[in-house]
Order: sequence, then structure tokens, then C-alpha cells
Amino acid sequence: AQSVAQPEDQVNVAEGNPLTVKCTYSVSGNPYLFWYVQYPNRGLQFLLKYITGDNLVKGSYGFEAEFNKSQTSFHLKKPSALVSDSALYFCAVTSTGANNLFFGTGTRLTVIP
Amino acid sequence: GAGVSQSPSNKVTEKGKDVELRCDPISGHTALYWYRQSLGQGLEFLIYFQGNSAPDKSGLPSDRFSAERTGGSVSTLTIQRTQQEDSAVYLCASSFLDRGLGETQYFGPGTRLLVL
Repeated sequence: AQSVAQPEDQVNVAEGNPLTVKCTYSVSGNPYLFWYVQYPNRGLQFLLKYITGDNLVKGSYGFEAEFNKSQTSFHLKKPSALVSDSALYFCAVTSTGANNLFFGTGTRLTVIP
Repeated sequence: GAGVSQSPSNKVTEKGKDVELRCDPISGHTALYWYRQSLGQGLEFLIYFQGNSAPDKSGLPSDRFSAERTGGSVSTLTIQRTQQEDSAVYLCASSFLDRGLGETQYFGPGTRLLVL
């Protein structure tokens, strides 16, 4: 069975500081990991994904994520947060034999000016 | 190019009524997915289409929920005899490959359903 955990419902960070949004996963095969962002009253926007290869994945808007197989984690990071990064972030996983993405419950990121 | 579109953007209905939600995927995408996002919850998978067929309906919460896809394009999610617990945002996504594995799913803006 596949599942995703986002242990923090809310993350607050000061503008200009580095940010991290945590994600851990559980799959029965090789994981395919995704991050999406949701702004108010909008659908989900794709940020980045890990399929294979380099463990550090770079995506849109300066975000990156590191795949750590031993810790089954895929934390989202950005070196310097912007107020406009404030949104709801979802981590998702799929794997061999699955037809859909399994999502975490989301982490609300607030960047404080 | 155009993204995934959904209509209506908002729907208010009375308990017991039927509703239809529409999804227009990105042109050329063979795979189409419906998810439900309830307040405070993550996204819950409902159904997956490969072309016009739905090999995976495992996420549909009850037999009041059904979906179809015609012409390998537009999909309609129908909820019969709506209940208050059906209130949620219904999101549609599409992707290029027949199977979503590793392929990015692109989401529409969603339909916000409120059952009174």
C-alpha cells in the first residue's frame, strides 16, 4: 500500500530565510514522488518530481527536493522564501501497480514579511 | 496551450438532488483522473480513465457516484441523490500516458460543491 505523511500542518518562516516542508512516504515498490502547490481557490500546480537519477530535484519557482531512500523522505526546500510562496503544499507518491497519486494532507506555508 | 478546465466552478444543491460535474482535459492526454478534496483532508482518488474506459473505479465512495468519458476527451462525474457529506472540491487531472506512473498529472481548478 502507498501512503504519504506530511507531519506539519503549518510552517511559518520569515521572508528571506530558507524553508523546508517535510514529506515521508511508504510504497511497496519504487517510488515516484511529486510536489504540488495550491493557491487559494485554485487547482494544484505541479512543482517538481522525482522518478529516477539524481536525488536532488530542481523545480519551478526556485524550489528543490531531495529524495532520501533510507529515510523514505522527499522534503521540499527553498534557499530564500518569498511572501508569494505562501500557499498549501502537497506531497504525493505513486508506484508500480498504482493508477493514481496518493496525497498527503498538505502543509500550509506562511512566509512572514 | 489550454490547461484542464472544469465546470461549473461552484455548485450549490439541495440534499437529494443529482449533480453533474464536467472536466475538459488537456488535448491529447489519454489518462484522466477525478479526485475529491474535503476540508482539512488531502486529495482522495475517485476514478481513473484510460481513453474512454475506466479500469480503476476503486475510489468511488458509493454507488451514487458514477463517471463517464466520451471521445477520449470530456469526462462527466455524476453524483446522484447528493448528501451533505458529498460537499467538497472535486478536482480533475489529466496526463499523457495511459498509466500515470511517473507522468505528471495536470490539475484543473476544481468544482466546489456544497450540498445544503
